[in-house]
Amino acid sequence: QKEVEQNSGPLSVPEGAIASLNCTYSDRGSQSFFWYRQYSGKSPELIMSIYSNGDKEDGRFTAQLNKASQYVSLLIRDSQPSDSATYLCALLLTGANNLFFGTGTRLTVIP
Amino acid sequence: SQTIHQWPATLVQPVGSPLSLECTVEGTSNPNLYWYRQAAGRGLQLLFYSVGIGQISSEVPQNLSASRPQDRQFILSSKKLLLSDSGFYLCAWSVTLYNEQFFGPGTRLTVL
Repeated sequence: QKEVEQNSGPLSVPEGAIASLNCTYSDRGSQSFFWYRQYSGKSPELIMSIYSNGDKEDGRFTAQLNKASQYVSLLIRDSQPSDSATYLCALLLTGANNLFFGTGTRLTVIP
Repeated sequence: SQTIHQWPATLVQPVGSPLSLECTVEGTSNPNLYWYRQAAGRGLQLLFYSVGIGQISSEVPQNLSASRPQDRQFILSSKKLLLSDSGFYLCAWSVTLYNEQFFGPGTRLTVL
């Protein structure tokens, strides 16, 4: 069983819509969760960190964590074509000393 | 502010040739450093991490090695490249092992 699961997509949304990206994980003791954005041919860029249950908002981005259901989500409001990228979910497993990454969800925002 | 550099940006090497990729971090002291590989269409695979000078932990068996000769310098090496070593090599740093990681621009390696 993979530690981190993401739908590979592609996920297509029209410009101005809300994009919803989801990630599930298998280790109930995971404590730290991160969302990275990776443009084609570029390196991953950190966009959100979340450590406790609930929502965390930063501009157009909202991360949602539900430890009981073992999922973490990223919402992108007012999606722009520049948001088109692959979004990677990462988490720190209990007892581990490095992050585990999902394979990413490719998002396309259609103008 | 902190900056992470990697070079070269791209590299094409024949099978059996040696490899040396370099990563340096500016603006912080005693960072944790990581080497990842991202094969085409696949996720990030952690290769090595280091918590200090001369301290290297390997995550997967392979023909690659890593060294940390200085606090903010991390080097990835191979004596003989394989075709399967092709990929996008990413260096990252973090404050501790339990924090978010920040990535360098990466090196795209093609082994022919």
